[in-house]
Parts: sequence; C-alpha cells; structure tokens
Amino acid sequence: GNSVTQMEGPVTLSEEAFLTINCTYTATGYPSLFWYVQYPGEGLQLLLKATKADDKGSNKGFEATYRKETTSFHLEKGSVQVSDSAVYFCALETRDFGNEKLTFGTGTRLTIIP
Amino acid sequence: NAGVTQTPKFRVLKTGQSMTLLCAQDMNHEYMYWYRQDPGMGLRLIHYSVGEGTTAKGEVPDGYNVSRLKKQNFLLGLESAAPSQTSVYFCASSDRTKELFFGEGSRLTVL
Repeated sequence: GNSVTQMEGPVTLSEEAFLTINCTYTATGYPSLFWYVQYPGEGLQLLLKATKADDKGSNKGFEATYRKETTSFHLEKGSVQVSDSAVYFCALETRDFGNEKLTFGTGTRLTIIP
Repeated sequence: NAGVTQTPKFRVLKTGQSMTLLCAQDMNHEYMYWYRQDPGMGLRLIHYSVGEGTTAKGEVPDGYNVSRLKKQNFLLGLESAAPSQTSVYFCASSDRTKELFFGEGSRLTVL
C-alpha cells in the first residue's frame, strides 16, 4: 500500500540556517502529497501541498517539489526562524476501496536555536 | 471561528472503563477522521467517515467504535479501555480537496 518515509529527528538548527527535511513515498499512481505542521500544544495544520508531478507547493517561506523520478517531496526553507520550531509531517493521499484518505509519516521534530 | 472542536481535552480512565470522545465541525465537511498520535509512530488512522451515516476502518481500529449520526459530529468510543490506548487523539475533517482541519487533540491516559 501507499506509505511515506520521513527523515528521522529530532533536528536542531541555528536561526537563519538552511533547512531540509526529507520525505520519500511509495505509491501506485500519482497521489497528492502534503506537508503538515504541528506547533506545540496544537493540532496539525496544512503547510503546503502538491497535486501532480513537478508541482511545487510553497507557504511561509517553505517549499517542496513533487519529484516523480525520485519519489520524493522534500521540505526546504532558506532561512529558518525560532517560530518554525514544530513537528513536521509528510503525508500522501491513499485510496481505500474508493475512499480517499491521508497516510502520514512519523513526523520530524524541528528545534531552532536563537 | 470554531472549526473542529474536540471534547474532552483531557481524561484519565481506569482499565476496563468506557468513554466517548466527541468531535464537532462547523465547516459542512463530508469527511471526518479519528487519528491517534504516539511517540515515534506519527499519526495512525483509527476510523473515518465519508458522510453522514457511514463509517470505515482505518489502520488501527481494534478496541474502538465510531458513529456519525449527524454530519457535523463524529464520536469515538472505547468500550473497555486498555493501557495501550493511552495516547493523544485527534479528530479532523475535510472536503474533497483533502486539506484536513484538525482539532486541538484529546489526551487520554488509561491506568
């Protein structure tokens, strides 16, 4: 079945550093791909998404490109801030007996140090 | 701006007790989901619903039951709680765009 594999955390960076969080997927067809973010004490919220190959999702300075050839959807940001400290989840759309739902990765905890 | 509301936010149970978590959404979404979040495991889907009166099993349905009698509500029940069900539970809803809107979570401890 469909699955995602995320870079293991935790990740600790200094403010203004470059960020990459790796995500690779296994799927039949070309499912939509997502990054969700969970700030401390909150539920998850959508950060960005891409619905087809070569699409680039972007939001709040974060970007991710849907790479069919490498089955990847890596999350990047050029200059992180303390406020980016959170847990990041990669997810893909899965079809189950005609019903669509999301399958999440295990999450990557990011801590940004001033 | 209520969005998705979960009640209760915290609960402590003894092994064998029962309880129900309530999820309510005010966005008229067709799809609703219950996930559990455990350290190192990410989010795992327990049950979901694609419309009023429908439910379906997710990855880890054992020990849980759900009902969707009204479009805006999705209830998660534990008939006989076990320590392995200690977790943080998240409800979410979506339309067909698959952008999930999550509640703030319900932390359940089973002693």
